[in-house]
Amino acid sequence: GAGVSQSPSNKVTEKGKDVELRCDPISGHTALYWYRQSLGQGLEFLIYFQGNSAPDKSGLPSDRFSAERTGGSVSTLTIQRTQQEDSAVYLCASRPGQLDTEAFFGQGTRLTVV
Amino acid sequence: SQQGEEDPQALSIQEGENATMNCSYKTSINNLQWYRQNSGRGLVHLILIRSNEREKHSGRLRVTLDTSKKSSSLLITASRAADTASYFCATDAGYKLSFGAGTTVTVRA
Repeated sequence: GAGVSQSPSNKVTEKGKDVELRCDPISGHTALYWYRQSLGQGLEFLIYFQGNSAPDKSGLPSDRFSAERTGGSVSTLTIQRTQQEDSAVYLCASRPGQLDTEAFFGQGTRLTVV
Repeated sequence: SQQGEEDPQALSIQEGENATMNCSYKTSINNLQWYRQNSGRGLVHLILIRSNEREKHSGRLRVTLDTSKKSSSLLITASRAADTASYFCATDAGYKLSFGAGTTVTVRA
């Protein structure tokens, strides 16, 4: 596709269940980011992938959160044993690996933990 | 942690007026970017200003950057109802894009 694609758009899950959120970046973009945005708040950095380098996981809030990027393309963010405070919009962005480039965002996944 | 901090948090203006919002940051950057978000979903890139630039224009947008004060401003001239959105600055320190809390702009008809 032409843009960053995220699925699902919306996800309602019961507390304690695991969820997987998917991000398809723009083809050829080596950098991929995950952010979390709670209602009315800014973007909280979660994790960053750049090519074959080790990801920067410094923003992951707990060990219940993990992310993978397979083949330098699709990425999956997994939240285990979901809690109500995990409810937020999860945004994915990608951009070329060169400096001074803009990021392209997907429409996000709205996660609601009930 | 959030690198940039926008000010004000919210802004309400009349259509046709100018809107100005500011961004302050803490560490050295390669560039600073501004994004717009409608309805709490995906962000759209507006403009990028490099650390060696002081001012940049794009249509009705004007961005300034003062690296000595670690601050930037975004000016939207002749605002329209369609400019109603949240605006975020993002600092780029080489690879990590860090966003502020944003400024919510409401343009009244």
